[in-house]
Order: sequence, then structure tokens, then C-alpha cells
Amino acid sequence: ILNVEQSPQSLHVQEGDSTNFTCSFPSSNFYALHWYRWETAKSPEALFVMTLNGDEKKKGQISATLNTKEGYSYLYIKGSQPEDSATYLCAFSGRGGYQKVTFGIGTKLQVIP
Amino acid sequence: EAGVVQSPRYKIIEKKQPVAFWCNPISGHNTLYWYLQNLGQGPELLIRYENEEAVDDSQLPKDRFSAERLKGVDSTLKIQPAELGDSAVYLCASSPGVGVQETQYFGPGTRLLVL
Repeated sequence: ILNVEQSPQSLHVQEGDSTNFTCSFPSSNFYALHWYRWETAKSPEALFVMTLNGDEKKKGQISATLNTKEGYSYLYIKGSQPEDSATYLCAFSGRGGYQKVTFGIGTKLQVIP
Repeated sequence: EAGVVQSPRYKIIEKKQPVAFWCNPISGHNTLYWYLQNLGQGPELLIRYENEEAVDDSQLPKDRFSAERLKGVDSTLKIQPAELGDSAVYLCASSPGVGVQETQYFGPGTRLLVL
């Protein structure tokens, strides 16, 4: 069983604040790391897929970094807006055997207007 | 482009009854996934299809769960008989190619309540 951990599990921030969360994953046999955003009553939506150590991806005010050697990825939101309220899921894929995607439990973000 | 379609969106049944969920992936997507998501947990893979072949069903409880993707397009997931612990959200996702680096496109899920 692969251990993919996300922290914090939930947080509340004021509109305009910047925030970040962490996804930890096994550092051996890394293949890909995905970030998804899941708004209530909607489908999970892909944000980023990262495959190389040191990758940085950006989409609007959201960005992500990847450190495969130490097994973590950070997701940053600059100037949070109420519409950023969602659960942010990371998903790890390893090499070898059955290649499968293992999801963390998510970080639930609430942006307070 | 239409997204992943799932039906029904909600289902309430009594324990020991059968239930089936349907998923139609994005047109042209070869890989289809069924996930189970319990409250407060991340999605857990039940089964992954590449075209019509189930390439990973290691986490599918085969005593009561079954799935099919006969023509390599839409798919059905069945539970028979349902138990109280099966109450969860069942998510379907698809991706264009094969391989776990592919982005998955999710449907809205089916929320199942077993009474």
C-alpha cells in the first residue's frame, strides 16, 4: 500500500490571502504526480501533472512544485478567492508492477469573503 | 466536447438489493477507471480498463462487485448484494491513452446510500 499524505486536511483563509499545502509520497520509483481540484457538487478537475524533479507548473494564480528526491509537492494559491474553495487532491503514480494512481485524502480549502 | 457522463447521480437502496452504475467516457478515451470514495478519504481505484480489457482489478471485491466494458466504450459497475458499508461516492474517469502519467477526466460521481 502506497502512502500518499496531504496536509493540512482542511484550512480556512481570508480572501486575498496566499496559501499552500503539501503532498508527500514515496520517493522511490516515482513516475508522476497529479493535482486535482474538486469543487462541491462538481467533477474533480485536473490542475497539473508533473513528472520531473524540480518541475514547476502554473495555472493562473495556482502553482505547484515537485521534489521527487525527498518525496513532496507543494501547491500554492496566490491571493485566494472564494471560487478557489474546493478540495485539492494529489495523486501519485509509481513505476513497476501494476502502474496505478494512489490518491491522498485531499486538503479542503475554504476561502472566506 | 462532452465530459464523462455518469448515471444515476444519486441512488438510495436497501441492503441486500442489487445496484448498477453506468459510465460513458469521453469519446476516444481508451482508458476507463472506476473509483470508490468514502467520506473523508481519497478516491480508491476499483478497476481500470484499457479498451475492453480489465488491466487492474486487484482492489475490486469480486464476491459482490462486478464490472464490464464490453465494447471498449461505456461501462457498468454492479454491486450485488449491497451492504451498508458500500455507501459512498462512485467515480468514473477516463483518459485518452494508457499509462498512469495521463490526466484523468472525471465524471460527477454516483452517490450511493445503502439503508
